[in-house]
Amino acid sequence: DAGVTQSPTHLIKTRGQQVTLRCSPKSGHDTVSWYQQALGQGPQFIFQYYEEEERQRGNFPDRFSGHQFPNYSSELNVNALLLGDSALYLCASSPLGGGTDTQYFGPGTRLTVL
Amino acid sequence: SQKIEQNSEALNIQEGKTATLTCNYTNYSPAYLQWYRQDPGRGPVFLLLIRENEKEKRKERLKVTFDTTLKQSLFHITASQPADSATYLCALGGSGGGADGLTFGKGTHLIIQP
Repeated sequence: DAGVTQSPTHLIKTRGQQVTLRCSPKSGHDTVSWYQQALGQGPQFIFQYYEEEERQRGNFPDRFSGHQFPNYSSELNVNALLLGDSALYLCASSPLGGGTDTQYFGPGTRLTVL
Repeated sequence: SQKIEQNSEALNIQEGKTATLTCNYTNYSPAYLQWYRQDPGRGPVFLLLIRENEKEKRKERLKVTFDTTLKQSLFHITASQPADSATYLCALGGSGGGADGLTFGKGTHLIIQP
């Protein structure tokens, strides 16, 4: 049973560019959350998707947007990249609409903005 | 604003001893608290979840306590081993009701000395 998978593993972009990160949730999970983790910090919640809609959002600007597909996979899009967007982007999935259940994290995508 | 504090300094423990990690929070009324382990360059791995109406939870060599009056959780690893060396993250959730994103602390870097 595959866990949460993310692609790509690493990515280098320049300021002002746009990036799309992808996530496939663990089998049987229907809720996907995205987090940003800067070096030396804990993960910060960006948003959560359930039934193809954004259910909840953290304190991130509109440059960060997402999408969830009918097969529950998800994308994170970041527009007009800033140097400060350099971080590890983590996807986490949970079952049956989320709730208080465990979130299973993927290995992350390391984004470097030059 | 919501704040979560974990031991900011690395914690050095001798092999075989009990490691105790602290998580304090303010301006938050979580429905549950979770502990995760994170190795360098990897996504967090879920360890334990404890709900607001629970005082203690155990899993093998791990024990977590949750005091909602003190707004504090303690995470214990008994009979510690060098393989337990990692960063441990405390995460709070559930204040929004239902599924929501987790709020993480910065993590405590634990080093178990052989």
